[in-house]
Amino acid sequence: QLQLQESGPGLVKPSETLSLTCSVSGGAISISYYWGWIRQSPGEGLEWIGSIYYNGRSNYNPSLKSRVTISVDTSKNQFSLMLTSVTAADTAVYFCTRQPGVEAPASDWGQGILVAVSS
Amino acid sequence: QSALTQPRSVSGSPGQSVTISCTGTRSDVGGYSYVSWYQQHPGRAPKLMIYDVSKRPSGIPDRFSASKSDNTASLTISGLQAEDEADYFCCSYAGSYTFVFGPGTKVTVL
Repeated sequence: QLQLQESGPGLVKPSETLSLTCSVSGGAISISYYWGWIRQSPGEGLEWIGSIYYNGRSNYNPSLKSRVTISVDTSKNQFSLMLTSVTAADTAVYFCTRQPGVEAPASDWGQGILVAVSS
Repeated sequence: QSALTQPRSVSGSPGQSVTISCTGTRSDVGGYSYVSWYQQHPGRAPKLMIYDVSKRPSGIPDRFSASKSDNTASLTISGLQAEDEADYFCCSYAGSYTFVFGPGTKVTVL
């Protein structure tokens, strides 16, 4: 059974870069799925951040595109998120996800990781 | 600010039906047959309940149904049960391989 597990620092300073990794188990990352990130600010709704195919082709939320990079490491069966120049508004629970296709919604989710932006 | 609009809350008694609306534009809900719905219990990851407007993933009970008309999608929960109390989020494909979510609707079982 597919499992997704987020990892990374739970606290990031303002203006620095948020970096998270999603480890995939129970399935190979190098198959016909898209791997993505979605976040949820405390008490708020969900925000789609972006997704990536195993070959590195990525798609990003236009509102975050200038600060986001999603990458994939097929040798480690992992994919990662980098968000630069963070502010308090980036404080959220970050979920890694799997989409069956580029136009398909996320069907599998990690448990989420809370990242706070604070000095 | 969310791109899609949902009511903040709906409620119903056990056994009743509730319907949640999700309004977007022709650039998202109205432009594609790719509306999905998620259920989220407190402290848990969202769970996909509906995809492609009205399809249920394996294991989702048929008490959950959904549809779309023009720029508005709807999720109906029939035969409301205590375990259905949760937040429900709609999501729509918005073109260029991007997605937008609604702000979420809290369903309360009275």
